[in-house]
Amino acid sequence: EVQLVQSGAEVKKPGESLKISCKGSGYSFTNYWIGWVRQMPGKGLEWMGIIYPGDSDTIYSPSFQGQVTISADKSISTAFLQWRSLKASDTAMYYCARPLSGGSRRDPFEIWGQGTMVTVSS
Amino acid sequence: EIVLTQSPGTLSLSPGERATLSCRASQSVSSYNFAWYQQKPGQAPRLLIYGASSRATGIPDRFRGSGSGTDFTLTISRLEPEDFAVYYCQHYGSSPGTFGQGTKLEIK
Repeated sequence: EVQLVQSGAEVKKPGESLKISCKGSGYSFTNYWIGWVRQMPGKGLEWMGIIYPGDSDTIYSPSFQGQVTISADKSISTAFLQWRSLKASDTAMYYCARPLSGGSRRDPFEIWGQGTMVTVSS
Repeated sequence: EIVLTQSPGTLSLSPGERATLSCRASQSVSSYNFAWYQQKPGQAPRLLIYGASSRATGIPDRFRGSGSGTDFTLTISRLEPEDFAVYYCQHYGSSPGTFGQGTKLEIK
């Protein structure tokens, strides 16, 4: 079964750092892009960025460039989303997602992780 | 960056009725790069339609996508109780892959 399993919920204070993960299984991890999508409480979906684990080619939305870092470790089939200094406005559910076709970042997201809730509060 | 505007914001219908959801792009886009998703409370989004009109694996045929250029439509022919959810459109032909703001389909 193809699946993406994300790390568990996090509660952090403003200014702290954080790295959440997304582990792929049931398919060739290095041959599919992995994207990250933010959903703030009660709000819609926002495309954050996408990475190709095969060569770590990464594209960010202008809205998130410089705010987060997307990375991947193909040896453990895992993608990461990282913050250096969290803000209260980073409180959201974060989803990783895999496109429909291998090798293409211009594809809809077919496979989704279960989401990681990040809460930033003093 | 392409902006997608969905209408209506909320649609109140009864089971068995037909639902028509719209999504308008700020500029003409290829229908090859257009998708619809369904999201239920507490769940991740689910891909329904891609390429504007192709149903994803396991999606019932009561879901139909159509449109081209700047105007796209998701039609649910006969609403089932499990169809009441939030629906998002997406253009994925460029980065960022923009989402619409969503349409909430609620039980009347």
